[in-house]
Amino acid sequence: KNQVEQSPQSLIILEGKNCTLQCNYTVSPFSNLRWYKQDTGRGPVSLTIMTFSENTKSNGRYTATLDADTKQSSLHITASQLSDSASYICVVTRNSGNTPLVFGKGTRLSVIA
Amino acid sequence: NAGVTQTPKFQVLKTGQSMTLQCAQDMNHNSMYWYRQDPGMGLRLIYYSASEGTTDKGEVPNGYNVSRLNKREFSLRLESAAPSQTSVYFCASTPGTREQYFGPGTRLTVT
Repeated sequence: KNQVEQSPQSLIILEGKNCTLQCNYTVSPFSNLRWYKQDTGRGPVSLTIMTFSENTKSNGRYTATLDADTKQSSLHITASQLSDSASYICVVTRNSGNTPLVFGKGTRLSVIA
Repeated sequence: NAGVTQTPKFQVLKTGQSMTLQCAQDMNHNSMYWYRQDPGMGLRLIYYSASEGTTDKGEVPNGYNVSRLNKREFSLRLESAAPSQTSVYFCASTPGTREQYFGPGTRLTVT
């Protein structure tokens, strides 16, 4: 079954601290993996997209890693800010099938002062 | 360049009523998607349109119909709304297999 599992479900950290969010997937055939940020009441916004051959990609304070062998990805947030409070969603794209994108349930991150 | 726009932003329906959610994109993207998002669940694909003139069912199509009116517009219709369709609905578009651009969402409540 095509699934994307994210952990933890929720996380609270102090402003300025780093954190890492995890994503494990059992999706095939694999095309790419994306991380999205979704602020409350808004649509998701893309942070990174990685293909099979890419194992690290950065976007400012966000760094995503991908291990295609173990089917794991992580999103590392450095020097967190209050504005990082949001849900972070891992999405895996399939090369075929009537569900081209498989979404994780997201990790709810709260950054507190 | 407004990106992906959705109307309405909020809607309350009674069980059995019908309505159409509108979505438009001005980025000349070929593919468009409709998702629903429920508390504690990931986004689930309702229908998608890979190109103008084509539509396909996603993971949860029952109770919905779609129309790809032209390259810009992709509408979602609820013919007879049910409380189980209370959700937040997102439209998205993409030029290919890369990034998807999401609209702001429509929050629908069915009583």
